[in-house]
Amino acid sequence: QKEVEQDPGPLSVPEGAIVSLNCTYSNSAFQYFMWYRQYSRKGPELLMYTYSSGNKEDGRFTAQVDKSSKYISLFIRDSQPSDSATYLCAIRGISSGSARQLTFGSGTQLTVLP
Amino acid sequence: DSGVTQTPKHLITATGQRVTLRCSPRSGDLSVYWYQQSLDQGLQFLIQYYNGEERAKGNILERFSAQQFPDLHSELNLSSLELGDSALYFCASGPRQGAGDTQYFGPGTRLTVL
Repeated sequence: QKEVEQDPGPLSVPEGAIVSLNCTYSNSAFQYFMWYRQYSRKGPELLMYTYSSGNKEDGRFTAQVDKSSKYISLFIRDSQPSDSATYLCAIRGISSGSARQLTFGSGTQLTVLP
Repeated sequence: DSGVTQTPKHLITATGQRVTLRCSPRSGDLSVYWYQQSLDQGLQFLIQYYNGEERAKGNILERFSAQQFPDLHSELNLSSLELGDSALYFCASGPRQGAGDTQYFGPGTRLTVL
């Protein structure tokens, strides 16, 4: 079993739709949760970062973490064609010293149709 | 632009050869992380350096090695290359210990082994 599972999609939605992207993880030691966006195999770009259960909102993006279920979500409201990309969840445990490596999900490919 | 630079952008080489990938972190960041992204394995952590010292190791092959220099740039050396080493190699940099957990990714180096 992979440490982080993510539905690879592809996911195709009409412009303006609400998008829900999800990951599950197996290790309860994971404490820090991130979402990255990656365009066309370019470098991943950090979208959201949180370390607690609950919701965190930033513009059209909301990150949700449920540690009891080991489930994290990213919601995109009013989706735009420019949101078309691959979305990667990334998780980290409590670090040992300065070790900060991330474990990534496999990524969900999203297409927003105009 | 994340502020992380990687060279070269593309690299085409033959099996059995050795290549060096270079990364310069964002100004002020002390950590450098190397990740490999292939179609079948997703984004995998290879190794982390912090202020010149190795801090964490992932699934890095023995044929691969890395180092971080006093000016904080890092190099990833890949030797005895095989077809399966063809992938995108990303470098990420992160802040000083205790100053947060965000990692900023460079644009990547696309390695093709023929």
